[in-house]
Amino acid sequence: AQTVTQSQPEMSVQEAETVTLSCTYDTSESDYYLFWYKQPPSRQMILVIRQEAYKQQNATENRFSVNFQKAAKSFSLKISDSQLGDAAMYFCAYSPTNFGNEKLTFGTGTRLTIIP
Amino acid sequence: KAGVTQTPRYLIKTRGQQVTLSCSPISGHRSVSWYQQTPGQGLQFLFEYFSETQRNKGNFPGRFSGRQFSNSRSEMNVSTLELGDSALYLCASSLEWGFEQFFGPGTRLTVL
Repeated sequence: AQTVTQSQPEMSVQEAETVTLSCTYDTSESDYYLFWYKQPPSRQMILVIRQEAYKQQNATENRFSVNFQKAAKSFSLKISDSQLGDAAMYFCAYSPTNFGNEKLTFGTGTRLTIIP
Repeated sequence: KAGVTQTPRYLIKTRGQQVTLSCSPISGHRSVSWYQQTPGQGLQFLFEYFSETQRNKGNFPGRFSGRQFSNSRSEMNVSTLELGDSALYLCASSLEWGFEQFFGPGTRLTVL
C-alpha cells in the first residue's frame, strides 16, 4: 500500500522569507501523480501544485515550486517570498495512475505559520 | 463557473441514526470523490465515482455507502452512526482521474 509521510507537523517562517515543507512517499509504481494541497482556516482545500512522476522537470507555480526526487521518493514544497495568506495546513498527496485505483493518499499535514 | 457545493454544511445527529450528505460537482466534471477528515486519522479516502459507477472504495465499513446520479451529483450515506463518525466530510470533483481535484467546503458531521 502506498503511504505518504510528512515529518514536520508544524513550521513557521518570517514573512517574505522562504520555507520548504518535506514529504516522502512509498510506492512500487513507476508512474503516479503527486500533489500539494493547502487547507486554510476556512477549510476549503486548494490545489497548490501537481507533479507527474514521469516528468523530470520540477513543477512550479509562481512562488511555489517542488523538488521532486523520484529515486529518493521525496517531494518537497518550496514557498518563496512567504505571505500572510500562505498560512494554512499543507497536505502532500499521492495518486496512482492505473485504472481501478483512483484515490488520493494524503500525508498528515504540516501547519505553516507566517510571522509578520 | 460555480465550484463544488456540499449540503448541508453542518449536521448534528445522534448515535444509531443515519445521514445523507450531498455533493454537486463542477459542471462537466464526471469524477467525484469523498474523503473523511478527522484530527486523529487525518484525510482518508472513502470512495470515487465516475459516470455513476463506483471505481474505488477505501477501507471503511459497509455502513458507508454512496452513489452518483446521471448529472454527476453524488450522495454518501452513513447508517447506524457511531461517535467516531464525527468528522469533516469532503467531496472533490475532477474531469477525470489525475486531473486537478476541486474540493468543496465540506460537511461537518457531529454525532452525539
